[in-house]
Amino acid sequence: DIQMTQSPSSLSASVGDRVTITCRASQRISTYLSWFQQKPGKAPNLLIYTTSALHSGVPSRFSGSGSGTDFTLTISSLQPEDFATYYCQQTYNTPPTFGQGTKVEIK
Amino acid sequence: QVQLVQSGAEVKKPGASVKVSCKASGYTFSDYYIHWVRQAPGQGLEWLGCISPNSGDTKSAQRFQGRVTMTRDTSISTVYMELRRLRSGDTAVFYCARALYNPSSISGYWGQGTLVTVSS
Repeated sequence: DIQMTQSPSSLSASVGDRVTITCRASQRISTYLSWFQQKPGKAPNLLIYTTSALHSGVPSRFSGSGSGTDFTLTISSLQPEDFATYYCQQTYNTPPTFGQGTKVEIK
Repeated sequence: QVQLVQSGAEVKKPGASVKVSCKASGYTFSDYYIHWVRQAPGQGLEWLGCISPNSGDTKSAQRFQGRVTMTRDTSISTVYMELRRLRSGDTAVFYCARALYNPSSISGYWGQGTLVTVSS
């Protein structure tokens, strides 16, 4: 199975900050990577697929980049509604493994 | 609009089985794999398996093989996930989710989640 490792596990940031979360795959996955946002008690929301394609309705302050084994999710200007947990997921093969999550908290 | 509606919360004793349903609507049921993902309290997302509503083919995570069965009923656009020999560590919210562009991808269409509590 492909292991997905996110960093950091948590971070504190202020509204307006630029936030970057990284995800590393244990083997090359081309650009087959998605990012999800999850708020407490809710199902995850798809933000980005195939590394950089923004899912319908997702604000443009979210962006993704990378290829091979190293990937990044960037929030250009953190908004109050962005405080949540973020997960990367490889879609290169089965099982489609998730990272352990990054919790973005208010500073 | 695309919707996935799951069955309600369950409380089970250790050693029992649970069967969760996921009814799809708003798209052609046979066109997309359905995944099952669970989340234990305070923990991350864990993939259990997926099923092709078209062929009935299934794939499951190795750690659940032998304990999980996924089936579908195309007449009512519903997939089912049964987990057997439950233990306390199986207490979690179970989600179904539709695939996106390949069988390994997961879209933004998720069910509302089904809480399964395993307790004696």
